[in-house]
Amino acid sequence: DGGITQSPKYLFRKEGQNVTLSCEQNLNHDAMYWYRQDPGQGLRLIYYSQIVNDFQKGDIAEGYSVSREKKESFPLTVTSAQKNPTAFYLCASKSLRTITDTQYFGPGTRLTVL
Amino acid sequence: AQKVTQAQTEISVVEKEDVTLDCVYETRDTTYYLFWYKQPPSGELVFLIRRNSFDEQNEISGRYSWNFQKSTSSFNFTITASQVVDSAVYFCARSMGGSEKLVFGKGTKLTVNP
Repeated sequence: DGGITQSPKYLFRKEGQNVTLSCEQNLNHDAMYWYRQDPGQGLRLIYYSQIVNDFQKGDIAEGYSVSREKKESFPLTVTSAQKNPTAFYLCASKSLRTITDTQYFGPGTRLTVL
Repeated sequence: AQKVTQAQTEISVVEKEDVTLDCVYETRDTTYYLFWYKQPPSGELVFLIRRNSFDEQNEISGRYSWNFQKSTSSFNFTITASQVVDSAVYFCARSMGGSEKLVFGKGTKLTVNP
């Protein structure tokens, strides 16, 4: 089945630890995105990547890092510098071969800092 | 900031009622896309519809319909004969022309009671 997978579904971390969230897609999409969602809030863009080995900061990139070594994968690392990391993280992808701008989302990872 | 505003934070209806979710956006772009996504309790964002700024035709898909009015910068979503399975948070979003960003509203939580 084609789609976007995120793992793990739930993640717990102690303060001061880095943690990496996985995002994989088999849709052959060029662009991938990471969003953060807080309760009662819309989605805010953390990082995005349009091509392998290249990525750009979104609106709230501080305390996060990403890599794009393969087209299918766009892992997000939440570093200890992120002051309030407890949130729901959503990964999305999009084809750049059309101009429709539609992003498709994965199931999300809920991160809780203990 | 070019915002997307969903003024209704929460709506509660009884099954079979019709319900309209409001979305008002700001933009300086002449070309843009508007979207609605559904987020059920499982968390994944499900794409519902995309509309480009040059197409003001209303659209109907089963019990769902969308009313796009460029003159009032609104893109409202109506569910006819609501069902319990429609219970979710619904997000309106707008693309920013020439960039990879989607701007999301804060969402409307719809509860359909049996």
